[in-house]
Amino acid sequence: QKEVEQNSGPLSVPEGAIASLNCTYSDRGSQSFFWYRQYSGKSPELIMSIYSNGDKEDGRFTAQLNKASQYVSLLIRDSQPSDSATYLCAAFAYSGAGSYQLTFGKGTKLSVIP
Amino acid sequence: NAGVTQTPKFQVLKTGQSMTLQCAQDMNHNSMYWYRQDPGMGLRLIYYSASEGTTDKGEVPNGYNVSRLNKREFSLRLESAAPSQTSVYFCASSEQGTAYGYTFGSGTRLTVV
Repeated sequence: QKEVEQNSGPLSVPEGAIASLNCTYSDRGSQSFFWYRQYSGKSPELIMSIYSNGDKEDGRFTAQLNKASQYVSLLIRDSQPSDSATYLCAAFAYSGAGSYQLTFGKGTKLSVIP
Repeated sequence: NAGVTQTPKFQVLKTGQSMTLQCAQDMNHNSMYWYRQDPGMGLRLIYYSASEGTTDKGEVPNGYNVSRLNKREFSLRLESAAPSQTSVYFCASSEQGTAYGYTFGSGTRLTVV
């Protein structure tokens, strides 16, 4: 069974610091990876995607992928209180019968302390 | 742009009642999904439709049925609601066979008493 593992947290960081969120996945056939942000009571919102080994930067967010280690991370620089949310990691892979699916981790709750 | 629209946003049912959750997307996506989210359990896939005319079971299909009415609409039906089905339900859509991620609806908060 495909699994995506995340530390549930909560992860607390002071405002202005770097928040580091980590994720591991079990299916070596996973092709691409996504980070979603979910505010309390709201739906998941896609914030980053990464497809190849290395780093991908978008504003204050950097996604890192290491397929050999089956490891994905998200760095948030200059963390703001508005970044306080649950962050979901997801891996995209073939699931059979011509279908591809995302498998989600349970999420890491981030709190940015003013 | 509406994206993915779910109705209703909130619902309270009595045990044994039935209801249908509606989902519609206007992005011309081929694939649609229904998830439930419970505290500590993350997002769990109930059913999905890879393309119009097809539906398949996900991780937790028992007690649910789905209908892919057309390319835009994908409904989830609870035939006889149980308290264990109290949850937040999310519909999502995506392009089939690509890796652009899913777009989620705003969710339906369902309570079964």
